[in-house]
Amino acid sequence: DTGVSQNPRHKITKRGQNVTFRCDPISEHNRLYWYRQTLGQGPEFLTYFQNEAQLEKSRLLSDRFSAERPKGSFSTLEIQRTEQGDSAMYLCASSFVRTEYSGNTIYFGEGSWLTVV
Amino acid sequence: GDSVTQMEGPVTLSEEAFLTINCTYTATGYPSLFWYVQYPGEGLQLLLKATKADDKGSNKGFEATYRKETTSFHLEKGSVQVSDSAVYFCALSTSGTYKYIFGTGTRLKVLA
Repeated sequence: DTGVSQNPRHKITKRGQNVTFRCDPISEHNRLYWYRQTLGQGPEFLTYFQNEAQLEKSRLLSDRFSAERPKGSFSTLEIQRTEQGDSAMYLCASSFVRTEYSGNTIYFGEGSWLTVV
Repeated sequence: GDSVTQMEGPVTLSEEAFLTINCTYTATGYPSLFWYVQYPGEGLQLLLKATKADDKGSNKGFEATYRKETTSFHLEKGSVQVSDSAVYFCALSTSGTYKYIFGTGTRLKVLA
C-alpha cells in the first residue's frame, strides 16, 4: 500500500494558462475526493467520485475546473484559464466505502501546490 | 449547515507541557469526529477518531473524547514533544454525507 499519490507536487504557472493535477488513490479505494486548502485555512471540499461517477461538486468548483476519474482509478483535476485566486494546495483523498458510515476514514495525499503568477 | 470551530493558534508550549486544543462542532445528524495532523509541506494524516458519543479516540499519546452534551472533541496530550509541532485539524462527517468538514486548524509549536 503506497498511499495516495499526487503529482506534480508543485506547479507555478502564469495567469491564463491551464494546469492539470493527477491523483492516484490507494488501490481498491472506491471513493476519491478533491479538496482545496489555502494558507491558514482548513481543507475545503471540491468534489468527489464514487468509482468513475462524479457525484457531487461544490459551489467552489467554478466552470473553469473539471475533474475526471476514468475507469474508477486515478483522477485528474484540470483548471483552465488560471487566476491568481486559484493559488492553493489541492489535496486528493481516498477511502473504501462498503456502506454509508460516517466513521469511514479518508486518507490524504501530500497535495499539489499551485502558484499562479 | 455543519461546521467545526477550533481555537485559534498558534499554541506555543515547552517540551513536556500539557496540551489542549479545543474543538466544538455543529451538526444536524450524528457525526463522527476526527483529528488530523499536518506537518510542514505535507498532506493531512489521521491522528484519531471517535464515531459515537462518549467514545475516546487515542493515538501516539493524544486523546480526544466525543462529548455530545457539549458538542466538543477537545484534543489532549499529557506531555508534548518538539516533534509534535504541526497544524492540527478537527473534522466531522455525518452519515449519508460524502464530505468531511474541517476546522481552520490550530498551529502547535513546541520549544525544546
